[in-house]
Formats: sequence, structure tokens, C-alpha cells
Amino acid sequence: GEDVEQSLFLSVREGDSSVINCTYTDSSSTYLYWYKQEPGAGLQLLTYIFSNMDMKQDQRLTVLLNKKDKHLSLRIADTQTGDSAIYFCAESQYSSASKIIFGSGTRLSIRP
Amino acid sequence: DGGITQSPKYLFRKEGQNVTLSCEQNLNHDAMYWYRQDPGQGLRLIYYSQIVNDFQKGDIAEGYSVSREKKESFPLTVTSAQKNPTAFYLCASRVASTNTGELFFGEGSRLTVL
Repeated sequence: GEDVEQSLFLSVREGDSSVINCTYTDSSSTYLYWYKQEPGAGLQLLTYIFSNMDMKQDQRLTVLLNKKDKHLSLRIADTQTGDSAIYFCAESQYSSASKIIFGSGTRLSIRP
Repeated sequence: DGGITQSPKYLFRKEGQNVTLSCEQNLNHDAMYWYRQDPGQGLRLIYYSQIVNDFQKGDIAEGYSVSREKKESFPLTVTSAQKNPTAFYLCASRVASTNTGELFFGEGSRLTVL
């Protein structure tokens, strides 16, 4: 079955790194995504990784993919107050590319 | 500027009433989606459409209906059969043929049933 799981909350100190984790069950996943949602708004794509990659880096963001363990992580370096949001992990599958399955979202809060 | 527009942003409904949420995009995207968001449950897929005049049920389609008469528009009707309609509804679209599959989202519509 299709399932994407994330922890619901994460709190980090400003300036530290944040690591948000995600596990998925479908081994046929082709693309895995990280979306960001600010309060009362829609989601915006932060980054994505193709399933044949292990790592992708984009400025302060680093995505790590462990296909064997079906584990995806998003690391945000030098976390700022503007990074406060809900972060969603999502996957699309080779068998049904039209559907994108989202996790429950991780609410990241920043403390001074 | 191109984007997705959802309206209304806030909507109140009495029990037993149907309500229609609007979603319009000018991105020339083929595929459009409706998701429902509840606290702690993430996004759940209600309906999606890959081309005009065609749509498929998602994971929680019961109590909802859609139409896709135009490429730009994908309205969602929340019917009185939906047992727990209070939620935040998100519309999204994407270019169907792209491999990256990036979804572009509207700002959402918050429906409250009184």
C-alpha cells in the first residue's frame, strides 16, 4: 500500500540545523518531494529528488535518500525564523504517476 | 501573472447544504487536483483530472463531486452527504507530461459547517 509517514513536530534553535525525516512504503516511487506550507496558505515545492539519486543539495537545503530503508530526510542549515512552517514529504509512483501521496507534515518551530 | 486562484477563501455552510468551491488556473496545465487538509493528517486526495471531461476519484471521494468542462477550471462541490466537511481544501495543478511532477497549489479555501 501507499503510505508516507513523518513526525508531527520539530523544534530547533535559531541558527542550528533542522533535520526532518520521512519514511515511505512504495518501492516503485519515482520522485520524492519536499513541500513547504506557511500558515493559511497553499504548498510550495522546496526541492525534489529522483529515486536513483542519493543526495541533492540546493543552497541551505540538503536532501538525503536511502532507498534500502525507504527513508528521506531534509536538512535545513542555519535555520531562520522564516523557516517556521509545515514541511510535507511526498512521493509519486511509477505505476500511477498522476497521483502524488503526501505525508502528514512536520511542523517546524524555531526558538530564539 | 500565472497561477491558481481558489475562491472563496473562507466559507460557512449550514448542515444539509451543498457548497461549491472554485478553482481556476491560467498556467495551461492539463492535470488538476483537489486535496483536503485536516490537522495532523496531511493532505488527502479527493479527486483529480488529467484532461478535460475526465476525472478520477481519489482516496476520499465520498460526499464530493467535481466537473472538468474547461481546462482552466475544476470546481469541487461538497455535498450534504459529506459527513465531516469542515476542513481546509487545496486545489493544485501540474503539467501532466512533466517528469518532475511539481504541483502548483492555490491558497486554499477554509470551509466551516455550522
